[in-house]
Amino acid sequence: DQQVKQNSPSLSVQEGRISILNCDYTNSMFDYFLWYKKYPAEGPTFLISISSIKDKNEDGRFTVFLNKSAKHLSLHIVPSQPGDSAVYFCAASTTDSWGKLQFGAGTQVVVTP
Amino acid sequence: NAGVTQTPKFRVLKTGQSMTLLCAQDMNHEYMYWYRQDPGMGLRLIHYSVGEGTTAKGEVPDGYNVSRLKKQNFLLGLESAAPSQTSVYFCASSRTGGGKYEQYFGPGTRLTVT
Repeated sequence: DQQVKQNSPSLSVQEGRISILNCDYTNSMFDYFLWYKKYPAEGPTFLISISSIKDKNEDGRFTVFLNKSAKHLSLHIVPSQPGDSAVYFCAASTTDSWGKLQFGAGTQVVVTP
Repeated sequence: NAGVTQTPKFRVLKTGQSMTLLCAQDMNHEYMYWYRQDPGMGLRLIHYSVGEGTTAKGEVPDGYNVSRLKKQNFLLGLESAAPSQTSVYFCASSRTGGGKYEQYFGPGTRLTVT
């Protein structure tokens, strides 16, 4: 039973435009959400996170929005750059879970010139 | 500062063979994790450790064993490999748990079981 879902396996966006990646979750106990970025043949790297007490967190070109009532979060990348082409994973955790993360299946982003 | 390293990078096993994957971190992190990544399924937690000498089961522990004899190392063992264990394995570490402390991942080990 997948508790974190990324329903779009791929996304193509033009350089300079906005990329919007979506993630839905089913477990209302999740209280911390993270996005990881993964290039081929490398491990995932941390991108940005948000606590459930917030609804927005921003870091440079990356902004994560959390809608707890809808159990939905999104990652906005503005503007998109060619180096952003990668697989993006949404992950969620609960405070008492020893840091264990539940990952979504990932969204492949391709930024075209 | 190498971060998280994994050995080996690639391995091909025959069904029934055994092997050990080694993960090492030089960040003095307490927590370590082993994940597997399969197409269309994201990363799934196999086993984890919250400190030297401790281990616990994750989401998909069957067919795997782990040991954390030293704080910096976390070993993943396959006693009798099966084709269903063909996957990419990632090790990760974090300062502590609770989700807000990011996990740092190694580059992965691609394992094929024939």
